Amino acid sequence: AQSVTQLDSQVPVFEEAPVELRCNYSSSVSVYLFWYVQYPNQGLQLLLKYLSGSTLVKGINGFEAEFNKSQTSFHLRKPSVHISDTAEYFCAVSPLYSGAGSYQLTFGKGTKLSVIP
Amino acid sequence: DAGVIQSPRHEVTEMGQEVTLRCKPISGHDYLFWYRQTMMRGLELLIYFNNNVPIDDSGMPEDRFSAKMPNASFSTLKIQPSEPRDSAVYFCASSQGQVIDANYGYTFGSGTRLTVV
Repeated sequence: AQSVTQLDSQVPVFEEAPVELRCNYSSSVSVYLFWYVQYPNQGLQLLLKYLSGSTLVKGINGFEAEFNKSQTSFHLRKPSVHISDTAEYFCAVSPLYSGAGSYQLTFGKGTKLSVIP
Repeated sequence: DAGVIQSPRHEVTEMGQEVTLRCKPISGHDYLFWYRQTMMRGLELLIYFNNNVPIDDSGMPEDRFSAKMPNASFSTLKIQPSEPRDSAVYFCASSQGQVIDANYGYTFGSGTRLTVV
């Protein structure tokens, strides 16, 4: 089984400042990693994903994340945030195998990013 | 593509009533997922289908919940009888292919906000 811990439930940050949203996971097998964003009253949208290869993954809207296997982390970063980045961000994992359960995403509880003008 | 379409967007019902939530996945997607989102428990996978067949319903909270997928373009989640603790946002998501597919990723609908009074 997998679990995801997002260490901060809320992160306030001033506009144009950098931000890091933290995500740690636990799994007995290798995993794929994802970040999703949820804007108010909307569904979740895929921000970026790590399947294999380079551990630094770039996504939409200037976000990037780095996979660190030894620390079982997948932190999300953006060098300069905008007001429009205000949303809730979810880290998720999926087991790296085929068969039953391989399509299931396990989500963290989410981090609410508030960008302050 | 119109994306994953859920209806209704909002539902308010009295305790004991039957509630039916609807979902139209993206054409060509062969996986469909139902999630429930609450403040306390975050995003929980209730059930998922592959090619219209239920694969894992272990997340369905109790017998009051049932889900069907009569064809590739339609799924329902039914709660009968409804209780106040069922109040949550219910999301439907669809995906195509396997996790190892570079294009893999869930597409979420906008959700149905259910309030049981």
